[in-house]
Amino acid sequence: GQSLEQPSEVTAVEGAIVQINCTYQTSGFYGLSWYQQHDGGAPTFLSYNALDGLEETGRFSSFLSRSDSYGYLLLQELQMKDSASYFCAVRPWGNTNAGKSTFGDGTTLTVKP
Amino acid sequence: EADIYQTPRYLVIGTGKKITLECSQTMGHDKMYWYQQDPGMELHLIHYSYGVNSTEKGDLSSESTVSRIRTEHFPLTLESARPSHTSQYLCASSGQGSYNEQFFGPGTRLTVL
Repeated sequence: GQSLEQPSEVTAVEGAIVQINCTYQTSGFYGLSWYQQHDGGAPTFLSYNALDGLEETGRFSSFLSRSDSYGYLLLQELQMKDSASYFCAVRPWGNTNAGKSTFGDGTTLTVKP
Repeated sequence: EADIYQTPRYLVIGTGKKITLECSQTMGHDKMYWYQQDPGMELHLIHYSYGVNSTEKGDLSSESTVSRIRTEHFPLTLESARPSHTSQYLCASSGQGSYNEQFFGPGTRLTVL
C-alpha cells in the first residue's frame, strides 16, 4: 500500500522561503506530484518529479529522493496568494492503465504580511 | 477551450432523494476520477475509470455508482442520499502523459438535509 505524510500546517511571512515536506511509504511509484488548492477551489497541478533531484518552475521547486523516501515542495518569494493547501501525490506501480494516484493529507500554508 | 465541467456547483436535497452529479471533459482524456473531500481535509478517491465501459471503485468505500458510456462523460449517482453524503465531490481527468497530471473540475458541494 501507499502512505504519504505531510505537516498539517505551515506559516510563513511574505517574501520568505518555505519548504513543505512529503515522506512516503510505498512499494514503488512512477513519480511524485504536487497540487495546490485554494480554499473553496479545486486542486491544480504544480509539479512532477519522475527522477531524483530538483525540478524548478518559477518560484516553485520540487525535489525527490527515492533512496530517502522523501520529497519536498519549495516556495520562494512567498506572496499572500500562495496561502492554500498543498498536496503531494504518488502514482503507484501496477496502475499504468488507470493512472490512479494516492494523495497525502495536505499541508495548509498561511502567508502573513 | 479544453476544460472539465461539473454540474450542479451547489446542491441541497432531502434525505432519500436520488441524485446524479454530472462531469464532462473536452480534453479527450481516457482516465477520469471522482474524489470526495470534506472542508480542509484530504482527497478520497471513490471511483475511477480508465476508458469507456471501464470503472473501478476507489480507496474510499462509497454508496455511489458511476458509468462511463462516453469518453467525455462520467456521471456519479447516489440512489438514496443521506446526511452522511454531505461533502464536496470533485471530478478529475488525466491523459496519456507520463506526468499523469490530473485536471480537476470546480466541484459540486452537496448538502443532504
